[in-house]
Amino acid sequence: GAVVSQHPSRVICKSGTSVKIECRSLDFQATTMFWYRQFPKQSLMLMATSNEGSKATYEQGVEKDKFLINHASLTLSTLTVTRAHPEDSSFYICSARKGRQVNQPQHFGDGTRLSIL
Amino acid sequence: TQLLEQSPQFLSIQEGENLTVYCNSSSVFSSLQWYRQEPGEGPVLLVTVVTGGEVKKLKRLTFQFGDARKDSSLHITAAQPGDTGLYLCAGVWTPLVFGKGTRLSVIA
Repeated sequence: GAVVSQHPSRVICKSGTSVKIECRSLDFQATTMFWYRQFPKQSLMLMATSNEGSKATYEQGVEKDKFLINHASLTLSTLTVTRAHPEDSSFYICSARKGRQVNQPQHFGDGTRLSIL
Repeated sequence: TQLLEQSPQFLSIQEGENLTVYCNSSSVFSSLQWYRQEPGEGPVLLVTVVTGGEVKKLKRLTFQFGDARKDSSLHITAAQPGDTGLYLCAGVWTPLVFGKGTRLSVIA
C-alpha cells in the first residue's frame, strides 16, 4: 500500500531556532501534500496544502513566513518552523495524495513530535 | 467552512461492552472516512463510506453512512482494550475535514 514517511519522528530544539520536517511518499508520486498540526487531546488541524511546483496555500491564522513549506518534487515536501517558540510545540502530521481530485485517498505519515524549549 | 461534530468526545467503557460514536454535519459529503489514531502516530484509515445508507463491517466495527450523507456512526461490538484510541471521522473534501474526535478507553 501507499506509504508516507516523516522524519524526524521526534525533535527537541531551542527557542528561536529553525527546524525542518520532511515528508516523503515512498512508493507513489504525491501531487498534493498536506500539513496538519495536532495539539494534545485535540483533532488534526490543517495548516497548509501544497501542490508540487507551486506555492503552498495556508489556512487562516497560519503564518506563511513562519511555517515555510517546500514541495519541490513529487515525493518530498518539507515544513520548516522558523523562529521556533514554545507555543509551536505540537505534533505535526503530513499526508500525501496522488492527484488533485477530492476522491483520491490521503495517506498519512506517522507524525513528528516537536518540542521547543 | 465544513464542520463535523463528533460525540461523545470521551468514552471510557469496560471490556466486552458495546458502544456507538456519532459524526454529524450540516453539510453533505460525497463520502466520509473513519480513522483511528494511537498516541504518537498518524491516523490510520479504517473505512470509507460513499453511498447514503451504506453499512460497512470491519470485524467488530460497523460503520453506517446516513441516507442524506450528512452523518455517520461507528458501532463497536464487544470492545477490547486494543480498541483504545482516538477515533476521527473525516468528510472527504479538499482537503479532508476532520471532526474533533472521540477518545475511547477500553478497560480490561
